Formats: sequence, C-alpha cells, structure tokens
Amino acid sequence: DSGVTQTPKHLITATGQRVTLRCSPRSGDLSVYWYQQSLDQGLQFLIHYYNGEERAKGNILERFSAQQFPDLHSELNLSSLELGDSALYFCASSVAGTSGRPSYNEQFFGPGTRLTVL
Amino acid sequence: GQQLNQSPQSMFIQEGEDVSMNCTSSSIFNTWLWYKQEPGEGPVLLIALYKAGELTSNGRLTAQFGITRKDSFLNISASIPSDVGIYFCAGHLGLRGGAQKLVFGQGTRLTINP
Repeated sequence: DSGVTQTPKHLITATGQRVTLRCSPRSGDLSVYWYQQSLDQGLQFLIHYYNGEERAKGNILERFSAQQFPDLHSELNLSSLELGDSALYFCASSVAGTSGRPSYNEQFFGPGTRLTVL
Repeated sequence: GQQLNQSPQSMFIQEGEDVSMNCTSSSIFNTWLWYKQEPGEGPVLLIALYKAGELTSNGRLTAQFGITRKDSFLNISASIPSDVGIYFCAGHLGLRGGAQKLVFGQGTRLTINP
C-alpha cells in the first residue's frame, strides 16, 4: 500500500459526460501528479500540483482540468468525454515541489481509476 | 519532447533465470526510477537512482544509473513467479519553478514459466 488513495476504482460513463476523479496523497506529501495510461500510449504525464499551485503541465487536453485543495487532496475533472478518453488514470504524490533531497523526487502511485467511456 | 526507449518490450523466461532490461534516452535525467506494475494496480517503486554511475540493490533486484545520465538498467536475479508483471523505467526531470515530471519507458512485460 503506497499510502495514496484514489476514488472511484471504476467509472463507466457515456460520451459527452463529465466526471471527477479524486486523489488523496500520502501523509506529508505536498506534490500531486496525474498520469494517464492507455494501451497504446503507456504512462503519460498530465499535470503537477504543489501545495495547491499548478507547477507543470504535460499532454493534458483542454477538456481536462485539475486542482489541489487546501487539505492537499486533488481532483481531475474530465469533460465532454470521448471514447478515446477511456484509460487508467493514476495519481502519484511526492514530497518534492521545490529543490531538496533527491529522494524527494520519488513518486508513489495510487491504485488508479479505470475510466470507460461508452 | 523527452522519450525513453525501454527494451526488451517483453520477456518469456524460465523460473530461476536472471533477467536484464534497460532504458536509454537522448536527454539527461537527474534521477532514474524503476517501477513494477501488476494487472489492475498502480506502479510500485522498486529502486531509485540519484547519481551517475550509482549501483543500487533491492533484494534480488539491481539497477544502475549510467555514467552519461542517459541510460539505466535493471537486473533481476533468480526469477520467481511473483516477479511477473510490467517493469517501467522513469526519468525524473526537475523543471523551472519547482515543476516536476516523470518520463516513462514503454515497459517490459515479464512472463515466467514455472
């Protein structure tokens, strides 16, 4: 158990709908990251938040957005869903967000949310 | 953008054999991480490497951070059935303003015949 929790475990929805995925980081971690894993794309970085502030964006679509709340949990919002958005969505957390010990760069992953768009 | 080339893509071995996989990149990373993922679960961190040339072990697993900082390998000795899974390398990038990201290899799927 990594200490990172994600809900829901599974989500089935229809095209055009909007969903929200939730993540709680490990105790003490200030950084939250979101990744998308699909069969043909592997693990793709979406976005990084540190202590409530967005720090980096990867290949995140404009239809997707995220935020990190004062209690450090994070939500990933996916809207106008398309069939191609079906994938596993992982949240990870780490201590890092600013310079520090190299071990702060280690990211610990949650169990993921499997999103199926029909 | 940054890409990691991980090989082999899949391995089919006998229980007890040693395994070797590697990752190469055109970019320099300041940290290399190796993860294992089992079906329906998230990646689990196995080994982290912080310095060029560093060799680190975790039980039967050994990994090295290449001297050029553009490559890393992972070895598994005396494989057992529970080693089955997909192994990912990841290079860590520290960006401006404290931004962080991991770039992942495509994964090596390990299958073990008992």
